[in-house]
Amino acid sequence: NAGVTQTPKFQVLKTGQSMTLQCAQDMNHEYMSWYRQDPGMGLRLIHYSVGAGITDQGEVPNGYNVSRSTTEDFPLRLLSAAPSQTSVYFCASSSAVYNEQFFGPGTRLTVL
Amino acid sequence: AQSVTQPDIHITVSEGASLELRCNYSYGATPYLFWYVQSPGQGLQLLLKYFSGDTLVQGIKGFEAEFKRSQSSFNLRKPSVHWSDAAEYFCAVGAGQAGTALIFGKGTTLSVSS
Repeated sequence: NAGVTQTPKFQVLKTGQSMTLQCAQDMNHEYMSWYRQDPGMGLRLIHYSVGAGITDQGEVPNGYNVSRSTTEDFPLRLLSAAPSQTSVYFCASSSAVYNEQFFGPGTRLTVL
Repeated sequence: AQSVTQPDIHITVSEGASLELRCNYSYGATPYLFWYVQSPGQGLQLLLKYFSGDTLVQGIKGFEAEFKRSQSSFNLRKPSVHWSDAAEYFCAVGAGQAGTALIFGKGTTLSVSS
């Protein structure tokens, strides 16, 4: 049982490049979320999903796309990276409404 | 919209002293509240959560928090701080569809002096 896994751990992009941050969980959790963490800003919700095929926007969705084709995977796509997207990205999952969220180890992204 | 305020950016406490970290929330209905801790370079770990019932909740590592609806607060406390408690602490409220995601405060960094 690996929990929540994220790949890659580190990534450097140039402005305008695209990439996908991968998130997978093996706990059969229905709910998954993406957050970004910036110094002094805490964690901010980007997108979340309440099940396969169902996603919704969080606090800071602009510049990011998501889809959820399976229960296990919830990738985050940056279509055209900008320096403002330099951050640490965390994926999380939970099994029930208002239940504990389990966080992945994070992806540190730098956009030059 | 839900929001969480942690008024203290940085707190320094002597080892063995008591600790209280403040959290205020804005939410239209009964909030679902959480405290998470993040040690340097680490992920997030749940300390405790409040859903309903007893307003004083116990968590891991000797932490407790008290929900006060009249003050819209959910302050975290520990009677005696250990050096290993130095970390960043985040208060969060359930959000999204039926609380399936979290809105976090900006965090409080705790330093422990010897």
